[in-house]
Amino acid sequence: DAKTTQPPSMDCAEGRAANLPCNHSTISGNEYVYWYRQIHSQGPQYIIHGLKNNETNEMASLIITEDRKSSTLILPHATLRDTAVYYCIVRTYLYGSNYKLTFGKGTLLTVNP
Amino acid sequence: DTGVSQDPRHKITKRGQNVTFRCDPISEHNRLYWYRQTLGQGPEFLTYFQNEAQLEKSRLLSDRFSAERPKGSFSTLEIQRTEQGDSAMYLCASIPTSGVDNEQFFGPGTRLTVL
Repeated sequence: DAKTTQPPSMDCAEGRAANLPCNHSTISGNEYVYWYRQIHSQGPQYIIHGLKNNETNEMASLIITEDRKSSTLILPHATLRDTAVYYCIVRTYLYGSNYKLTFGKGTLLTVNP
Repeated sequence: DTGVSQDPRHKITKRGQNVTFRCDPISEHNRLYWYRQTLGQGPEFLTYFQNEAQLEKSRLLSDRFSAERPKGSFSTLEIQRTEQGDSAMYLCASIPTSGVDNEQFFGPGTRLTVL
């Protein structure tokens, strides 16, 4: 299974952009990068995913390097409610179009007032 | 609220007892996953269903664990003869019937404490 490496923790000031890095140097060509977050004692919440191109949605932007060995999740204007553990995940195929998510330990992002 | 529900939300049991958890996925989702999350770790994949067929099981799923999805709708996860090491959050997730490029919708989880 492709592994991801993330810093264990990061801080960010409220209203500033939060940039969360992730290394996935063993990723295969057809494996997607997913980002989820988990607020204490809740189930993981989907944020964004991508394969090769940069992606943006209402929550965040995902920047994937050209060699696909790393990516950065950007929360453009962090709020206190964005304090959570953020997981960078490489989606691993089981067979056919079926897959599983392999989580690492994630990054605890703390947004400070 | 993602639309995936799990019951109970919390379960405290004594070592050696059997426990059963239930997951109700989003109604049109035919694919269902179970994950386990211990303190300080990310969720770990346990098993996967497509409709009622259990198509993949992790090595983490010992003989004491069994999962079913009898009619391809809700799913149950049973742990027999619980051990203290089974204490964890058990998460269920589902995804739509078709498409390779989609997200897993997670439920709120069942937190199990084995005394």
